[in-house]
This record gives sequence, structure tokens and C-alpha cells, in this order.
Amino acid sequence: EPEVTQTPSHQVTQMGQEVILRCVPISNHLYFYWYRQILGQKVEFLVSFYNNEISEKSEIFDDQFSVERPDGSNFTLKIRSTKLEDSAMYFCASSEGTTSYNEQFFGPGTRLTVL
Amino acid sequence: KNEVEQSPQNLTAQEGEFITINCSYSVGISALHWLQQHPGGGIVSLFMLSSGKKKHGRLIATINIQEKHSSLHITASHPRDSAVYICAVTYGNKLVFGAGTILRVKS
Repeated sequence: EPEVTQTPSHQVTQMGQEVILRCVPISNHLYFYWYRQILGQKVEFLVSFYNNEISEKSEIFDDQFSVERPDGSNFTLKIRSTKLEDSAMYFCASSEGTTSYNEQFFGPGTRLTVL
Repeated sequence: KNEVEQSPQNLTAQEGEFITINCSYSVGISALHWLQQHPGGGIVSLFMLSSGKKKHGRLIATINIQEKHSSLHITASHPRDSAVYICAVTYGNKLVFGAGTILRVKS
């Protein structure tokens, strides 16, 4: 069964460093998402991406964040200068169509620890 | 802004019990999702529904659009059902999540 994959599973970085989190969505899916979950808190939406551009983003997704689909299969989230409060589990998801009518499939997550 | 409230926050049940988890939301939506999060963190979609009722094995999900309320039922609960159950609503082109219900089923 096709699945969303994410790498790495755990990333440890120093404050101020850049990190890139990678995702491979399900191959025929057209919509891609990043969510994050700070330990003990609810899952929060970061950004949605369709047709090679951001379709919606949250207040959390400021200038320090960017997303890219560099090669038609990978979908990346970059944090330019990490802060302590960026420590969280980051989930990538994809769906065949818009989220109004389509299930989202989640990757296993990348745990980001900023020291 | 859509707020999603779940109850209860924590639920402990004996194996075999019938379980209900509730979800309410504040504004109109196009779809509601029930998700399961395992202790390792992975999230699995259980149901997406916009009206009525859906059933998959021992899981049943219902939604009342007029009352802005959904329920997830687990029949004949089993220790392997222990997980966090999350309600999320479609709002724009994103999901807005509830805080989750931590379910523990004891044998």
C-alpha cells in the first residue's frame, strides 16, 4: 500500500542552524501539507501546497519557513534559523484532491530537537 | 476561526466496553476527520465524513451537521485500541485539530 515517507526520523540541531525536513508524498497525490505538534499539544497546520505554490499558510509559517517540491517527488520544509520553540514533531501529509473531499495520508513524522 | 473541542480528554475502559468519544466544532465545515495517533507518534486516518454515519470493523463514526457534533464509537474495545483519537475538521484547505482523547483499554 502506498505511503508517505519522511526523513530523517529524528533531527537534532543547534539554535540558529538551518534544517531541511524531507517528505515523499504518495505518487499520484496533488496536495501536500506540513503540520507540527509540540510535545503535549495539539497538531497545528503550517502550510498547504498545490500546483507548485503555497495555497494556504498559518501564522506560524513566517519568513523563517519555506517549502519546495524540488524534483517532482520530494516535498521539503526548510527552517532557516531554528529557535528553541521550533522543537516539535513535524508531519507531512498528502491528498489526492482538496481536503474538503479527500482523506489526508500522514507520514510517520520527523522529531526536531533544537538545542 | 474554527475551534474543535473533544471530550473526554482521557478515557480508561475495560476490555470489551463500548466507548464513545465526542467532538464539537464552532463553524460550518465541509468534512470531519477522525484520526488515530499511536504512542510512537504516527497518525492514521480512520474516517472522513461529511454526513450521516460510517462503519469500519468495530469503529463507527457519526456526524450531525446541524448540531456541529460528531462521535466516534468503538465496540468491544480491546487493549490494542489504546491510542490518542483526534478529531479534525476541514477548514479552507487545511485541517484544524482537536486536542485528542487519550484512550487506555485495560485487559
